Amino acid sequence: GENVEQHPSTLSVQEGDSAVIKCTYSDSASNYFPWYKQELGKGPQLIIDIRSNVGEKKDQRIAVTLNKTAKHFSLHITETQPEDSAVYFCAASYGNQFYFGTGTSLTVIP
Amino acid sequence: DAGVTQSPTHLIKTRGQQVTLRCSPKSGHDTVSWYQQALGQGPQFIFQYYEEEERQRGNFPDRFSGHQFPNYSSELNVNALLLGDSALYLCASSLSSNQPQHFGDGTRLSIL
Repeated sequence: GENVEQHPSTLSVQEGDSAVIKCTYSDSASNYFPWYKQELGKGPQLIIDIRSNVGEKKDQRIAVTLNKTAKHFSLHITETQPEDSAVYFCAASYGNQFYFGTGTSLTVIP
Repeated sequence: DAGVTQSPTHLIKTRGQQVTLRCSPKSGHDTVSWYQQALGQGPQFIFQYYEEEERQRGNFPDRFSGHQFPNYSSELNVNALLLGDSALYLCASSLSSNQPQHFGDGTRLSIL
């Protein structure tokens, strides 16, 4: 089955700086890559996603890039704010099953 | 427009007992997936239901079973509870497969 690795496990940035989280996947059949933000005591919230026929997607301060050849994808958050502090998960899917990374705990220091 | 709702929010059980967790999908969604999230880990896929049938199953034993009702709501049943079953159980709904999944806030299950 699919194996998704996520790095780093923890990330601290100053408010206003950028944050980058990277994921790799193993199964070339995967064609859908969502990113989720999980706050304490809450379920994961979908923040952005990308399909394998697209190389990059942006939504305001958040962007995702995908390199199918290298089998990796990344989340970029610009102009970080304290409310961006949370755990972020990447996932890969090629059908009914989503495979999640182990998460990145992002702390934005005011 | 209500999102995914799960009940109960917290549950405490003892080893060997059985538990039923409930999920109502987001309005308009017909597919429900269940995940187990251990502390500090990403969600692990248990199974997915579509048209009242289990469509796909992850690497979980038969002690984990489910059901989907005609109104698309779903239940997760776990029999013969083990200490290792302590986790956050998440329900996600979507419109068909390989589509964005929207999660509820989960049920925190503690086994004593």
